[in-house]
Amino acid sequence: GAVVSQHPSRVICKSGTSVKIECRSLDFQATTMFWYRQFPKQSLMLMATSNEGSKATYEQGVEKDKFLINHASLTLSTLTVTSAHPEDSSFYICSALTNRDLSEQYFGPGTRLTVT
Amino acid sequence: GQNIDQPTEMTATEGAIVQINCTYQTSGFNGLFWYQQHAGEAPTFLSYNVLDGLEEKGRFSSFLSRSKGYSYLLLKELQMKDSASYLCAVMDSNYQLIWGAGTKLIIKP
Repeated sequence: GAVVSQHPSRVICKSGTSVKIECRSLDFQATTMFWYRQFPKQSLMLMATSNEGSKATYEQGVEKDKFLINHASLTLSTLTVTSAHPEDSSFYICSALTNRDLSEQYFGPGTRLTVT
Repeated sequence: GQNIDQPTEMTATEGAIVQINCTYQTSGFNGLFWYQQHAGEAPTFLSYNVLDGLEEKGRFSSFLSRSKGYSYLLLKELQMKDSASYLCAVMDSNYQLIWGAGTKLIIKP
């Protein structure tokens, strides 16, 4: 089946620094990728929808200047957490779509961010 | 390699009971998640099992057997709104999520 990878899998950074997380579709082209955030035992919270070649669409309450998303190619989207704070510590998950109706959405393994 | 298997699609009748199975082979185990996803929406957390046994939460129950690498999600008193995809995911020893492909559940009146 289709594979989505994320890098890094785990990152620890100091408060005030920026962290970039990559999401790649390894064997298919994804015109749309989603970025989610998950708190322990809670639902995935959609942060933004990333479309190749255009600006990301952010969900209400998500700061677009803090969570920078770049979908530079059909196989790569990046999420940069700028000026990270401890409250940004979370599990970030991306998913990639192969078509428009969400029936073929593939999830990445997640990136655990810890801000100290 | 790591692998999660669940049926691609299931059909059930409103008011009935359905069991969605999930088998896994992963390097290590730090819990198994079930999510529900309606088309066009983000996945909703349903359950998290890390110990063997059955956990009941209203109409939904989740069972885990670590020795068998097996879990199931049991949905009772099915309602039309339960039509959705159900995703099984296992967290491995590196705390990475391994996702199943999802089971599309169709509820018929």
